[in-house]
Amino acid sequence: AQSVTQLGSHVSVSEGALVLLRCNYSSSVPPYLFWYVQYPNQGLQLLLKYTSAATLVKGINGFEAEFKKSETSFHLTKPSAHMSDAAEYFCAVSFQNTGFQKLVFGTGTRLLVSP
Amino acid sequence: DTGVSQNPRHKITKRGQNVTFRCDPISEHNRLYWYRQTLGQGPEFLTYFQNEAQLEKSRLLSDRFSAERPKGSFSTLEIQRTEQGDSAMYLCASSQPGQDRDTQYFGPGTRLTVL
Repeated sequence: AQSVTQLGSHVSVSEGALVLLRCNYSSSVPPYLFWYVQYPNQGLQLLLKYTSAATLVKGINGFEAEFKKSETSFHLTKPSAHMSDAAEYFCAVSFQNTGFQKLVFGTGTRLLVSP
Repeated sequence: DTGVSQNPRHKITKRGQNVTFRCDPISEHNRLYWYRQTLGQGPEFLTYFQNEAQLEKSRLLSDRFSAERPKGSFSTLEIQRTEQGDSAMYLCASSQPGQDRDTQYFGPGTRLTVL
């Protein structure tokens, strides 16, 4: 079955520390992969995406992610956390057999940033 | 480009009442999607339109739910005889095939509370 898994429902870091949010997918063919961020009571904002071009993808707000086919992963990183990064982060995938249209989301990781 | 808009932002209703939500996509996007997000979970796909045609519906979309996109522009999602289990955030997204690899951009959502 095609699916996406986010390890860790909560991640806590100190301001200035490295942020690492994990995402793994299950699919026999490489999907398209996305990271979205959600602030309280708001919709989803696209951070970055992988759609079969460069495997290291840079997004907004200093975030980046690397597609690793051998590990079926697309982990999100940021070298130095800022207080404003505190939010819910969702990894999402779309698959070739659905025309890359329907997004399947992970359960989300809440990032907590302490001063 | 004003982004995806949704109205209302919040709706409180009593069990058994009907509710209708509206989504206005990004103007040049001909694909429109509806997702439902319950507390602590990632969004789940409900349905999607290409122009005015509804091309896919999730089994989550019971017969109490109906979505329309009559002129291929805005869309409405109606829930009849609401139940407490319908309480959720309803998210709309739009995309344009061939542009940006069909990346979906989300609106702010409509939060439904059924009492």
